[in-house]
Amino acid sequence: DVKVTQSSRYLVKRTGEKVFLECVQDMDHENMFWYRQDPGLGLRLIYFSYDVKMKEKGDIPEGYSVSREKKERFSLILESASTNQTSMYLCASLTGGVGEETQYFGPGTRLLVL
Amino acid sequence: RKEVEQDPGPFNVPEGATVAFNCTYSNSASQSFFWYRQDCRKEPKLLMSVYSSGNEDGRFTAQLNRASQYISLLIRDSKLSDSATYLCVVNPFNNDMRFGAGTRLTVKP
Repeated sequence: DVKVTQSSRYLVKRTGEKVFLECVQDMDHENMFWYRQDPGLGLRLIYFSYDVKMKEKGDIPEGYSVSREKKERFSLILESASTNQTSMYLCASLTGGVGEETQYFGPGTRLLVL
Repeated sequence: RKEVEQDPGPFNVPEGATVAFNCTYSNSASQSFFWYRQDCRKEPKLLMSVYSSGNEDGRFTAQLNRASQYISLLIRDSKLSDSATYLCVVNPFNNDMRFGAGTRLTVKP
């Protein structure tokens, strides 16, 4: 069974704090993703990575950075948390060729920024 | 324009009903398409891939219309357990998977 784990299920931070969200997958997948999910907006892609040390911006990268030093770990960093970054953050990894891709998601981290 | 658009619903249907969802995508070069299911307070999970020729998995049928740039999901004989949010997902090119906002389905007894 593919397993994607996220470091925290719930997190409360203050405005201006630096926040680290970690994601680990155990299936040697090359592609990993960070999304945020907000009511009415669905999942929006923040960043994705197709290999170690490689990253690509998604639709909403502003205010976020990422790190992929090892294949199994993809970290999302909020350099200076703001209240509009309160959201559910979902990490995923991906396997499969064209037309057969499957993303596996972690359980999510619900972040509240006060 | 959003890359992937869905009718948010909600769709409220009785058990046994047939219900259909549509999804449109903006990038005509998109290469692969999927439906995911997300239960309340859970992570999304793959329901089925969508092939050009259409495909069926039990009570679920997915179709792709490349000319009109939409995909559809048909659920026959709805069960209470089908209640969930259905997410349309498109791989535009480089595995940067894009999600629609989701369509919420509630099946009632």
